[in-house]
Amino acid sequence: DGGITQSPKYLFRKEGQNVTLSCEQNLNHDAMYWYRQDPGQGLRLIYYSQIVNDFQKGDIAEGYSVSREKKESFPLTVTSAQKNPTAFYLCASRKSGGPGYGYTFGSGTRLTVV
Amino acid sequence: AQSVTQPDIHITVSEGASLELRCNYSYGATPYLFWYVQSPGQGLQLLLKYFSGDTLVQGIKGFEAEFKRSQSSFNLRKPSVHWSDAAEYFCAVGPMDSNYQLIWGAGTKLIIKP
Repeated sequence: DGGITQSPKYLFRKEGQNVTLSCEQNLNHDAMYWYRQDPGQGLRLIYYSQIVNDFQKGDIAEGYSVSREKKESFPLTVTSAQKNPTAFYLCASRKSGGPGYGYTFGSGTRLTVV
Repeated sequence: AQSVTQPDIHITVSEGASLELRCNYSYGATPYLFWYVQSPGQGLQLLLKYFSGDTLVQGIKGFEAEFKRSQSSFNLRKPSVHWSDAAEYFCAVGPMDSNYQLIWGAGTKLIIKP
């Protein structure tokens, strides 16, 4: 079955380290998204990509970076510049062709700074 | 400004009782409307969506939602909740143009009393 795979499920980062969260989809979706989720704050958009080799900043892009070299993959790097990275990170994808297509989400990665 | 408001952070309902979760939006035009559900530590799953036509839409797991244009609302309902419905519920709206990013509510956590 098609879906989105996020890995790892849990990730621990030391102060000053960069870490990369993986997101892979086999749905043949064009658009992919990264969201950050903190308790009581809903979902905040970090980056999104609508086609390969192109991506745009979301509302809270500072301290994060992404790449979109393949349609299936949209990894997120949390850099040492992100001062408060502890959060639950969700990757999503959507089929292009109209805004009516809903998002498909991965199961998330919980990142903790130790 | 475009926004989505879910006025209830938490709602507690007895098992077997009816449920209504509120969602109000502020938008310049008629948007696409979505409800998602998130179980603890998991990604989000689409419950239902509204684009046009019949203002009462049916979704998965026995949920329905009613779009009321005059009230800018899209409330989620279920006639009889089950303990497995305990989760967090998110309302989202999206534009009908090509640059379609969803705007998310902060979520409502549903607690089921036995």
